[in-house]
Amino acid sequence: AQTVTQSQPEMSVQEAETVTLSCTYDTSENNYYLFWYKQPPSRQMILVIRQEAYKQQNATENRFSVNFQKAAKSFSLKISDSQLGDTAMYFCAFQLIQGAQKLVFGQGTRLTINP
Amino acid sequence: DSGVTQTPKHLITATGQRVTLRCSPRSGDLSVYWYQQSLDQGLQFLIQYYNGEERAKGNILERFSAQQFPDLHSELNLSSLELGDSALYFCASSPLDSSYEQYFGPGTRLTVT
Repeated sequence: AQTVTQSQPEMSVQEAETVTLSCTYDTSENNYYLFWYKQPPSRQMILVIRQEAYKQQNATENRFSVNFQKAAKSFSLKISDSQLGDTAMYFCAFQLIQGAQKLVFGQGTRLTINP
Repeated sequence: DSGVTQTPKHLITATGQRVTLRCSPRSGDLSVYWYQQSLDQGLQFLIQYYNGEERAKGNILERFSAQQFPDLHSELNLSSLELGDSALYFCASSPLDSSYEQYFGPGTRLTVT
């Protein structure tokens, strides 16, 4: 079974700073996807970024980028130039490419961006 | 707006009752997933349907059941409700029966009193 661990329950930074959220996972499979989802106070789950495990290049989406270390089973999210609207819960999630396509989520990191 | 709709937004009911949550996937998406988000269990996968057929089951209680209809909308039925069933229930959809990005609906907040 796959597990996802987010070791930082809460983080807080000042607006415009850079922040990195950590995520580790455990799997014996080789082919999978990793995701970061954002859940603002509205409770909507919003996809932030996706990484395919077979790609060595780290995914980027505007101010959001990941550091994917497959051997270490680590998948961190870096938010650059943080904005007040980035305040949210962030969930790391794992999905197999073959077999069950369910998302396995970590416990989440509550990120607060302070003005 | 993800294109996935869920009704109702909020539901308050008593223990022992039965409720039905409804989900309409994005246009063209054949796969529907149900997830439960509770304070103590976090976000957990319940069940997946693809084009009307059950594909995968997660930590879904026997008191819970789901189905996907020919028009691809899905319903999650929760019966003999307990206080611990209070949670946010999400539906997500994806186009294929294979790994792909899942787009989440706004959720249904269920409160059991």
